[in-house]
Amino acid sequence: QTVVTQEPSLTVSPGGTVTLTCASTAGPVISDHSPTWIQQKPGQAPRSLIYGANRRQSWTPARFSGSLLGGKAALTLSGAQPEDEADYYCVLDYTGRQAHWVFGGGTKLTVL
Amino acid sequence: QMHLVQSGPEFKKPGASVTISCKASDYTFSYYSFVWVRQAPGKGLEWMGWISAKDGDTKYESDLQGRLTLSTDTSATTVYMELRNLRSDDAATYFCASGYCSSVTCRTFDYWGPGTPVTVSS
Repeated sequence: QTVVTQEPSLTVSPGGTVTLTCASTAGPVISDHSPTWIQQKPGQAPRSLIYGANRRQSWTPARFSGSLLGGKAALTLSGAQPEDEADYYCVLDYTGRQAHWVFGGGTKLTVL
Repeated sequence: QMHLVQSGPEFKKPGASVTISCKASDYTFSYYSFVWVRQAPGKGLEWMGWISAKDGDTKYESDLQGRLTLSTDTSATTVYMELRNLRSDDAATYFCASGYCSSVTCRTFDYWGPGTPVTVSS
């Protein structure tokens, strides 16, 4: 069973920079996995921030960026804002054909 | 921009079935695909399955195969998720999400519904 691993929790200072990562037990994360980053605030529905590893949604602030780094997918937040405090999930498509998406366990990001 | 509206909370007994609807606002419904994702209380997100609104093609998470059916009603621009033989660990909030399909590939998690809570209890 493939497992997608994320840091359980991270803390960043307001205005600071933090990188969240997403690793796979099946091997390196590559662009074919279509890494997607999802943000969820308490009591709200999730929303997509990054798709295709590094493409921002039209509503995603420029302070968020996605990349592939050292065999993992990464989400970097530069200039953290209090409203960025949330849970962040990465999700990977292991078949490239929508047949098997796997979510990571999520990272709880605290801005403090 | 696609707007998704889901049906209301459900309360079911173990062994029962639940059907949740997800109505899409966009008249270009057939150009989209939809996924269902669930979230147990205090837990993370779990992908359940995918359906193409263009041709009804479906993909299911292997652990749910046999209990889960996704379907569409194109005229009503609505997607349905039916989960049968409910167990206590199926208690969760169920989300639909959609993405635009080009001739080459489909985007997946672009737009999300508000979620439908499902309680499973005897």
